Amino acid sequence: QKEVEQDPGPLSVPEGAIVSLNCTYSNSAFQYFMWYRQYSRKGPELLMYTYSSGNKEDGRFTAQVDKSSKYISLFIRDSQPSDSATYLCAMRGTGANNLFFGTGTRLTVIP
Amino acid sequence: GAVVSQHPSRVICKSGTSVKIECRSLDFQATTMFWYRQFPKKSLMLMATSNEGSKATYEQGVEKDKFLINHASLTLSTLTVTSAHPEDSSFYICSAFRTSGSNEQFFGPGTRLTVL
Repeated sequence: QKEVEQDPGPLSVPEGAIVSLNCTYSNSAFQYFMWYRQYSRKGPELLMYTYSSGNKEDGRFTAQVDKSSKYISLFIRDSQPSDSATYLCAMRGTGANNLFFGTGTRLTVIP
Repeated sequence: GAVVSQHPSRVICKSGTSVKIECRSLDFQATTMFWYRQFPKKSLMLMATSNEGSKATYEQGVEKDKFLINHASLTLSTLTVTSAHPEDSSFYICSAFRTSGSNEQFFGPGTRLTVL
């Protein structure tokens, strides 16, 4: 079993839709949870950073962490064509520097 | 957010040559940097962890003598692909771990290596 599982998609939605991206994990030691956005042929860009369980909102993006279920989500409201990218979840434990990544979900927002 | 740069962004070389890729944290100090490799439509694969002033820690299956890593300062790490072969062609991405503030990891824009 992989440490982090993520549906690779692809996922296509119409402009304005609400997008839900999810990851599950198996290691209960993970405490820090991140979502990165990666455009084609570019490095990943940090979108959301969350510690432990709870919700975090930043503009159209909301990150949710449910440690009891080992499940994290990223919601994108009012999706835009510019949101079309691959979204990677990542996580790590306390005191650890290296990240464990999901496989990434490729999202396309259709105008 | 913090800025991490990589140079060059793209390199094409002949088989058997060595290629050096630089990773710099521009506005913060990074005692730890990471080197990843990414194949098309795949996630990032951690190659090694680079620690300033000490030897890098390589992941299982990554050849130390093939991928030389040097972390000479708190803002610079280099990856040298020695005697490159076509199978080394890939997208190489570095990241820098910022220990101040929220302990986040910031990625460079990546270097696309093509070995002919």
